[in-house]
Amino acid sequence: DTEVTQTPKHLVMGMTNKKSLKCEQHMGHRAMYWYKQKAKKPPELMFVYSYEKLSINESVPSRFSPECPNSSLLNLHLHALQPEDSALYLCASSQVRAGGHEQYFGPGTRLTVT
Amino acid sequence: QKEVEQNSGPLSVPEGAIASLNCTYSDRGSQSFFWYRQYSGKSPELIMFIYSNGDKEDGRFTAQLNKASQYVSLLIRDSQPSDSATYLCAVNAGANSKLTFGKGITLSVRP
Repeated sequence: DTEVTQTPKHLVMGMTNKKSLKCEQHMGHRAMYWYKQKAKKPPELMFVYSYEKLSINESVPSRFSPECPNSSLLNLHLHALQPEDSALYLCASSQVRAGGHEQYFGPGTRLTVT
Repeated sequence: QKEVEQNSGPLSVPEGAIASLNCTYSDRGSQSFFWYRQYSGKSPELIMFIYSNGDKEDGRFTAQLNKASQYVSLLIRDSQPSDSATYLCAVNAGANSKLTFGKGITLSVRP
């Protein structure tokens, strides 16, 4: 089973709102990722957690705050977003292996900031 | 700057033909290589991965890797209209699990 689930599927929020995106996997993967994807562009890495610790932050603005409560769950807390933050937010997971390992993506959350 | 380059598209092939998608990468230390398929409005789906030089076949898909030439390709045999999608090449160079994606190429299979 290579399933990563994400909730919600769609989210519309105002610039003063606080919301959270959630991601879950039950494949025993120990690396989890957040990506942002704009239309007709490839996914852009935001954060990587490895063994529940933040290992990569791609200079993401502090209005995005990741959290990894346990090895199966990954959250992305959103606060004071801008309209340009509207995008498809993708969660992925993988095994941890030097040299890389296959990453499996969830279905994504389509975020619209008004 | 680590780069992954894909042919500019779009690519159009007739149904039943072989579609050939190409990708080059700049980092000689790259160790793992992936092809993702993405339908419009959906998330990327992993369809092939390859770690060693040579060919790897899975059904109608063949991934080819040539590390000396820093080149990875995806062949789709007997192309079907359902193969119409954007194909993303992705490369991982190190221990930090960071994928570098190409810009993607849109494939259209004509019935």
